[in-house]
Amino acid sequence: GENVEQHPSTLSVQEGDSAVIKCTYSDSASNYFPWYKQELGKRPQLIIDIRSNVGEKKDQRIAVTLNKTAKHFSLHITETQPEDSAVYFCAAPSSGSARQLTFGSGTQLTVLP
Amino acid sequence: EPEVTQTPSHQVTQMGQEVILRCVPISNHLYFYWYRQILGQKVEFLVSFYNNEISEKSEIFDDQFSVERPDGSNFTLKIRSTKLEDSAMYFCASSETGFRSPLHFGNGTRLTVT
Repeated sequence: GENVEQHPSTLSVQEGDSAVIKCTYSDSASNYFPWYKQELGKRPQLIIDIRSNVGEKKDQRIAVTLNKTAKHFSLHITETQPEDSAVYFCAAPSSGSARQLTFGSGTQLTVLP
Repeated sequence: EPEVTQTPSHQVTQMGQEVILRCVPISNHLYFYWYRQILGQKVEFLVSFYNNEISEKSEIFDDQFSVERPDGSNFTLKIRSTKLEDSAMYFCASSETGFRSPLHFGNGTRLTVT
């Protein structure tokens, strides 16, 4: 099945700095890559996603880049704010599946004021 | 904005008991899912459901688990004989056209097996 590796597991940045979280995947046929934000005790919420026909997508302070050749994709958060503090999960479709996502192990982002 | 709703928010049960977790997916969504998250760990796929039948299930989803859509709105997960290791947050999710459309999660049911 799909193997999704996510790094780093924890990340601390100063408010206003940028944060980058990286994921690699194993199935070259994967073509959809979402990112979820999960605040403590709450549900995962989709913050941005990218499909394999584009290399980058941006939504205000959040961007995702995709390198299909290297099979990795990254989440970029610029001008971080304390409310960005949360666990971020990447995901990719499971191999041979049209129905399920495999999630990365998560990154605990802490934005220090 | 429409939401996936789950009940109860917290369920405590004794080992060996049956539990039913309930979900109401977003009304125009066709694909339904159950995921679980053990405290501090990643979100793990359990099962997907489409057109009134299971589409896929993971290794976690053994014979102790079952899902049902008893009517036009509810989607349930039943654990027949709970084990201590079933303690986790269980998230229901739905999507409009499969995983290539955004997956919307409910707020989860925290299951504690004692």
